[in-house]
Amino acid sequence: QKEVEQNSGPLSVPEGAIASLNCTYSDRGSQSFFWYRQYSGKSPELIMSIYSNGDKEDGRFTAQLNKASQYVSLLIRDSQPSDSATYLCATLYTGTASKLTFGTGTRLQVTL
Amino acid sequence: ETGVTQSPTHLIKTRGQQVTLRCSSQSGHNTVSWYQQALGQGPQFIFQYYREEENGRGNFPPRFSGLQFPNYSSELNVNALELDDSALYLCASRTGGTGELFFGEGSRLTVL
Repeated sequence: QKEVEQNSGPLSVPEGAIASLNCTYSDRGSQSFFWYRQYSGKSPELIMSIYSNGDKEDGRFTAQLNKASQYVSLLIRDSQPSDSATYLCATLYTGTASKLTFGTGTRLQVTL
Repeated sequence: ETGVTQSPTHLIKTRGQQVTLRCSSQSGHNTVSWYQQALGQGPQFIFQYYREEENGRGNFPPRFSGLQFPNYSSELNVNALELDDSALYLCASRTGGTGELFFGEGSRLTVL
């Protein structure tokens, strides 16, 4: 069973719309949660981190965390073609090593 | 710019050969970890080094080994290369605290 689940997509949204990306995780010991953006052929780039239940906003991005439901989401407002990328959800469990567990990513396409 | 640099960016090897990948990170980033990202997958944790000691390892065989040096640079060595080792290898560093992980640009390894 995968520890972090994401819909692989592609998720297609028109320019200017809100893109909603979702992620569920199985390890209740996860303490921190991250969203990375990865353009094709490039390495992942950290765009949001969230540590407590609720919403966290940064510019056009809002991360939402619900630990009881083991659910993390990322909203992208006013989507732009430059937002077209794969979005990776990751959870952090701090034990002997601080290991990030990633989902397989959701591919987002923003259409003109 | 994450302050994490990797070399080489691309390389091609044949099955059975050995490869060494290198990473350097900013001063103060005393934790370095390596991830393998196969095509269409999320990054998978290989191992982590803290103060030159391996302090965590993912589900990878012993032919994957590493080193961390006093200047915060690091190496990933893979012996007896297999076709399935073809992937993007990512080095990442953190300062601790928030757990935010910043990736280098990666080394894309192709095994023929």
